[in-house]
Amino acid sequence: GAGVSQSPSNKVTEKGKDVELRCDPISGHTALYWYRQRLGQGLEFLIYFQGNSAPDKSGLPSDRFSAERTGESVSTLTIQRTQQEDSAVYLCASSSGQLAGGPFPHEQYFGPGTRLTVT
Amino acid sequence: GQQLNQNPQSMFIQEGEDVSMNCTSSSIFNTWLWYKQDPGEGPVLLIALYKAGELTSNGRLTAQFGITRKDSFLNISASIPSDVGIYFCAGLNTGTASKLTFGTGTRLQVML
Repeated sequence: GAGVSQSPSNKVTEKGKDVELRCDPISGHTALYWYRQRLGQGLEFLIYFQGNSAPDKSGLPSDRFSAERTGESVSTLTIQRTQQEDSAVYLCASSSGQLAGGPFPHEQYFGPGTRLTVT
Repeated sequence: GQQLNQNPQSMFIQEGEDVSMNCTSSSIFNTWLWYKQDPGEGPVLLIALYKAGELTSNGRLTAQFGITRKDSFLNISASIPSDVGIYFCAGLNTGTASKLTFGTGTRLQVML
């Protein structure tokens, strides 16, 4: 498809279990971002990838959170030993990125999100 | 993390009315973006602003990049029912980091 896709769209898990969330960015976009959105709130930055390196991990809330990216495509956000406060919508975005050139490298396009519920 | 202040938090307006909302920050950004989010969807980019003082339009939407680089404004003219949603501003400093810092959101509801 032409846009950012994420899977699963919904995930319900028990406290203490690990979860993996997947993001497929727009083809050709070198930059990829993960954000978290708690109910009724704005988006909080988690991590940024340029290619498959992560120059900014400053938003990851704890060492239970990690993310990987394969080349300039799919990224996986992993949350280990989930807690109830991890319940949120996790959004992925991509942009063409500065290194790719082009007129609007920083405009980020979002996927539909994964709604995570920890019971 | 930091969130930008948006005002108003929510608003009810009549169809056909104009809408104004603003976003303020304690720090400077060199790029401002405005997004709209519908329930169950990711934010959709509406307008991007790259220069202080810039005024940019996209159909019925007009946004301005404040001259101090610490604020931005979004206006919607002649509102229609499909304008309902949550509007978020986001600031970005392209030179140092590419993460967006989002506003708290303005929820817009349109009465027919």
